Amino acid sequence: NAGVMQNPRHLVRRRGQEARLRCSPMKGHSHVYWYRQLPEEGLKFMVYLQKENIIDESGMPKERFSAEFPKEGPSILRIQQVVRGDSAAYFCASSPPGGVYEQYFGPGTRLTVT
Amino acid sequence: DAKTTQPNSMESNEEEPVHLPCNHSTISGTDYIHWYRQLPSQGPEYVIHGLTSNVNNRMASLAIAEDRKSSTLILHRATLRDAAVYYCILSLKTSYDKVIFGPGTSLSVIP
Repeated sequence: NAGVMQNPRHLVRRRGQEARLRCSPMKGHSHVYWYRQLPEEGLKFMVYLQKENIIDESGMPKERFSAEFPKEGPSILRIQQVVRGDSAAYFCASSPPGGVYEQYFGPGTRLTVT
Repeated sequence: DAKTTQPNSMESNEEEPVHLPCNHSTISGTDYIHWYRQLPSQGPEYVIHGLTSNVNNRMASLAIAEDRKSSTLILHRATLRDAAVYYCILSLKTSYDKVIFGPGTSLSVIP
């Protein structure tokens, strides 16, 4: 069973461009979470999604950031008009439906804004 | 969200046991205690979780104080591959687990 996959692993964008980060959850997992880790800091929760629904986006910046988890295909975290402060590692995690205790994390996408 | 307090860093000699403490004095009765770790340049990895009783798995043991205000993650024989940041986290047993990471404890293992 393949783990959580994220791509790209590294992404370089110039200020003002758009960044699209993809996350394919583990097989059978219908819950997806996105976290951001700034350099030398801990992980910060951004958003929790189930298929076609955003359940909790309390950690998402109000502007420029959006996330989706369509019925088919990976979850997408989209950052519009990136700024240098968006440079970070973005991790996706997934868990199966029902009350579960652990989240399985992907290897992360490291976004660098130049 | 209930908070946890962990030492910023700890050191251990290789092949010796390591006890990583975590204080969570404001824990509620429905909070589960989770431990994750993050190796350098990797995503976090689930280690163990518990509610009231001590727990063991292939990676570690979790010792929970009787009043649940503190817990200890025990690595029985530290290896160089155990060098990581260890996060102690509380989360509710709800329809999902919103995991709030603190700064964690950076564990160094000395050969």
